[in-house]
Amino acid sequence: EIVMTQSPATLSVSPGERATLSCRASQSVSSNLAWYQQKPGQAPRLLIYGASTRATGIPARFSGSGSGTEVTLTISSLQSEDFAVYYCQQYNKWPLTFGGGTKVEIK
Amino acid sequence: QVQLVESGGGLVKPGGSLRLSCAASGFTFSDYYMSWIRQAPGKGLEWVSYISSSGSTIYYADSVKGRFTISRDNAKNSLYLQMNSLRAEDTAVYYCARGQYGFDLWGRGTLVTVSS
Repeated sequence: EIVMTQSPATLSVSPGERATLSCRASQSVSSNLAWYQQKPGQAPRLLIYGASTRATGIPARFSGSGSGTEVTLTISSLQSEDFAVYYCQQYNKWPLTFGGGTKVEIK
Repeated sequence: QVQLVESGGGLVKPGGSLRLSCAASGFTFSDYYMSWIRQAPGKGLEWVSYISSSGSTIYYADSVKGRFTISRDNAKNSLYLQMNSLRAEDTAVYYCARGQYGFDLWGRGTLVTVSS
């Protein structure tokens, strides 16, 4: 199976700053990758699919880049509502797999 | 209102069985691929099973293969997960989710606890 590794595990950022989250795949996933945001007690929310396409209603401060084995989620200017856990997920091959998550916390 | 609502979770003893349901509304359920995804307490997300829109194609994670069965009833706008031979490590919140190229709609989840 494709192992997805996210880094860092925790990212401490001040509001208004830029956050860069990384996701590495154990083999190429092409652009078949999604990013999700999850807040405590809530279901995950789709942010990005196709590695770089924002889902419906997602603000432009969220952007995805990369393909193959290295992809990145960037939040250009963190808002208070963006502090959460973020997961990447590949859908290039079965079984579908998620990364372990990056927690973005307030610095 | 476009939504997914899971039900059927609860406390079950190791070796026991449980059937989860997911009721879809507000969209044409029969047009969409569906999956079950779980999250153990304090842990990350784990995809469990997938079923195509017609039900003709099904996949499982190795961790549940042979024990869990996914199914759907498009006439009832419902998705199911039959879970047998449950183990402590199956304890999790189980979400149903829509889509294949990114899950764009999730339910709120139902908690399954496997404990004696």
